[in-house]
Amino acid sequence: EAGVAQSPRYKIIEKRQSVAFWCNPISGHATLYWYQQILGQGPKLLIQFQNNGVVDDSQLPKDRFSAERLKGVDSTLKIQPAKLEDSAVYLCASSLDSILAGGPRANVLTFGAGSRLTVL
Amino acid sequence: DAKTTQPNSMESNEEEPVHLPCNHSTISGTDYIHWYRQLPSQGPEYVIHGLTSNVNNRMASLAIAEDRKSSTLILHRATLRDAAVYYCILRDSGYALNFGKGTSLLVTP
Repeated sequence: EAGVAQSPRYKIIEKRQSVAFWCNPISGHATLYWYQQILGQGPKLLIQFQNNGVVDDSQLPKDRFSAERLKGVDSTLKIQPAKLEDSAVYLCASSLDSILAGGPRANVLTFGAGSRLTVL
Repeated sequence: DAKTTQPNSMESNEEEPVHLPCNHSTISGTDYIHWYRQLPSQGPEYVIHGLTSNVNNRMASLAIAEDRKSSTLILHRATLRDAAVYYCILRDSGYALNFGKGTSLLVTP
């Protein structure tokens, strides 16, 4: 099966500019996640979608970050305006089962390769 | 904050078994124990997970203490391709998988 696709793989922008990342999850996966990984740290959850609804966006800096998942499939993550501290790898992941339904398979995530953002 | 404690780094010789420990003393009865690993310049990769009983798959084994306050990921024969950061994660009540810093495994020939 095809994996989680992300683009672009690399992006360099000046501070205060905007950037958008795209994610195409595994076909049929109901849950989609965006994580931010700063160099030397573990990934941090930014937002979690169940189909096209938001389950958890408590750690998303909503003054500059936004995300949407139209039609419950692809998703975009946008940063506007970018700050130096936004330099990180942005990881998209998806899972087959609904976390809200529970069960052991709900939390098996498949990650994409990530989009590396450098803000100058 | 992550609810698990792992050593920052470990080292192993190639073709030797590796035991990666994880402490999770505040685990709840319904928390599953998950292990993911992240190879350099890649996204995290699922390794194994379990609830109470020991688990085996083609990648590794997971040994869970009887009181569930600790677990050990076992790589039976380490290869150079197993060099990665290994994350031990509990599924918490907020539905998120929260990654800590993990254990950086170095495998030497």
